Amino acid sequence: GIQVEQSPPDLILQEGANSTLRCNFSDSVNNLQWFHQNPWGQLINLFYIPSGTKQNGRLSATTVATERYSLLYISSSQTTDSGVYFCAVTGTASKLTFGTGTRLQVTL
Amino acid sequence: EPEVTQTPSHQVTQMGQEVILRCVPISNHLYFYWYRQILGQKVEFLVSFYNNEISEKSEIFDDQFSVERPDGSNFTLKIRSTKLEDSAMYFCARGTSTDTQYFGPGTRLTVL
Repeated sequence: GIQVEQSPPDLILQEGANSTLRCNFSDSVNNLQWFHQNPWGQLINLFYIPSGTKQNGRLSATTVATERYSLLYISSSQTTDSGVYFCAVTGTASKLTFGTGTRLQVTL
Repeated sequence: EPEVTQTPSHQVTQMGQEVILRCVPISNHLYFYWYRQILGQKVEFLVSFYNNEISEKSEIFDDQFSVERPDGSNFTLKIRSTKLEDSAMYFCARGTSTDTQYFGPGTRLTVL
């Protein structure tokens, strides 16, 4: 099956800093989603982005499908951005395969 | 965002007991999924359910697990005889392979 790797595994930022999270995948994909898991464990949809670039406020994402990676940009980080960020993909099957996540901590 | 709801939010059970986790209410959707996340680990696929039939299942989804859509709206995951290692967050989701999959808030299962 598809392998999904995320980097870095852990990230500590000061409030106001920018960051880039990376997701590499091993095969072509039909779906790529970025999620934020909040401290209560809920998975919040950030982007559905199998290719191209999207922006939503301080967050943006880019997927280069031909090179099998996606990037999530967080600008002007806030303490509420803390949590775990997951990338997940589907291949020929409809199930999502998740990466191991990037744990982000934003400090004052 | 389209809502997927789950009940209960927390469940504590004794080892060997049966538990039923529910996705409610859902209508007019065909594709459903159950995923689980052991504390501190990544989210893992359990089973997909399309048009009232299992379409794919993982190696985790053994004979102890079953899924049903008993009344056309509720979508349930049953664990027949729980084990300590079944303690996890269980997520229900809906969607397809070519569109956004939406996740419910999860049920935290603790097996003692």
